Parts: sequence; C-alpha cells; structure tokens
Amino acid sequence: GAVVSQHPSRVICKSGTSVKIECRSLDFQATTMFWYRQFPKQSLMLMATSNEGSKATYEQGVEKDKFLINHASLTLSTLTVTSAHPEDSSFYICSARQTWNEKLFFGSGTQLSVL
Amino acid sequence: EDQVTQSPEALRLQEGESSSLNCSYTVSGLRGLFWYRQDPGKGPEFLFTLYSAGEEKEKERLKATLTKKESFLHITAPKPEDSATYLCAVQGDQFYFGTGTSLTVIP
Repeated sequence: GAVVSQHPSRVICKSGTSVKIECRSLDFQATTMFWYRQFPKQSLMLMATSNEGSKATYEQGVEKDKFLINHASLTLSTLTVTSAHPEDSSFYICSARQTWNEKLFFGSGTQLSVL
Repeated sequence: EDQVTQSPEALRLQEGESSSLNCSYTVSGLRGLFWYRQDPGKGPEFLFTLYSAGEEKEKERLKATLTKKESFLHITAPKPEDSATYLCAVQGDQFYFGTGTSLTVIP
C-alpha cells in the first residue's frame, strides 16, 4: 500500500530555534498534502493544506509566518516551525492525498518538544 | 511490527440498517485509539478516544468499543448524513493510521 514517510519522528529543540519536518509520499504522487496538530487527548486539528507548486492555504488562527509550508514537488512537503516556543510543543502529523483516487494516507507524526 | 488495519474498505448500507466498522491493531504500549470522521475535502473530525480494553463511548448513533486487539465503531440506524470515511488511529510511540472505511448510507 501507499506509504507516507514523516521525519523526524521526535525532535527536541531550544526556544527560539527553527525546526523543519518533512513529509514524503514514497510510492505515489500527491498533489495535495495536509498538516495537522494533535493536542494531548484532543482532536486532530487541520493547520494547512499544501498544494504542489503553490502557496499553502492556512486554517483560521494558524500563523503562516510561524508555520512555513513548502510543497516543492509531488512527493515532498515540509513544515518549518520558526522561532519555536514551548507552547508549540505538540504532535505534528502530515497526510498526502493520492492524486489518482484521492485516498488519504497519513505519516506517523513528529513529536516536537520545545525547551 | 506496529500497524492498524481497517475493514471493510467500503460499506454501503440502507438507511436504518445497523452495522459495525472494524479497526484491528498491533502496537506496543497503547496510549490511545482514536476514531475520526472525514468528509470529502475536509480534515478529520474527532469522534472518540479510547484508552483501555473494555472501554466504550457513545455519541448519537455511534458507539465505539475497544479490546486488546481491535476496536469497533457501531452505527445504529444510520442516516444518509452519516456517509463519510471513518478513520481509526492508534498512538504508541508514534501515530498509526488506518486507511479508513468509506461508508455510504442510501436513503
């Protein structure tokens, strides 16, 4: 089946630094990728929709200058958390929509801890 | 190997015809099992979190149950508006998502 690889799986960083998370569709093309944030015991929150070759669409309340999304190819999207603060600590999850049948496949998540 | 398998892949029901969706999992150190509903073009909408075997949660026509190997999402007397893809995810050290069950409820 289709596989979405998300790296790193875990990252610890100091407050004020930037962290980049990669989401790759390994064996299919994904015109559209999604980025989510999971709070403990809470729902998955859609942060932004990333379309290959164009600017990402951010959900209301998500700071686009803080969460930079780049979708430079049909198999790779990146999320950069800039000037991270402790309140940015969370699980970040990506998903990729298979272009030909629009089926959605998820990455395994990245646990970000900002000290 | 940790993984999540959902079945069936697709399900068509008549309005009022109750049924169950299955989510089988193998994971070390289960921290939670999540059910989501996803409508086309939208992000997953949270339904339930289950933490331990024997736990059950209900919301309107939906009821989720959990054992040590699987979870069931029971849909009682479904309506056309229940048509969606239902996703199951398991949290261990990482998140493992199933590929979803596409439910169609026919009036």
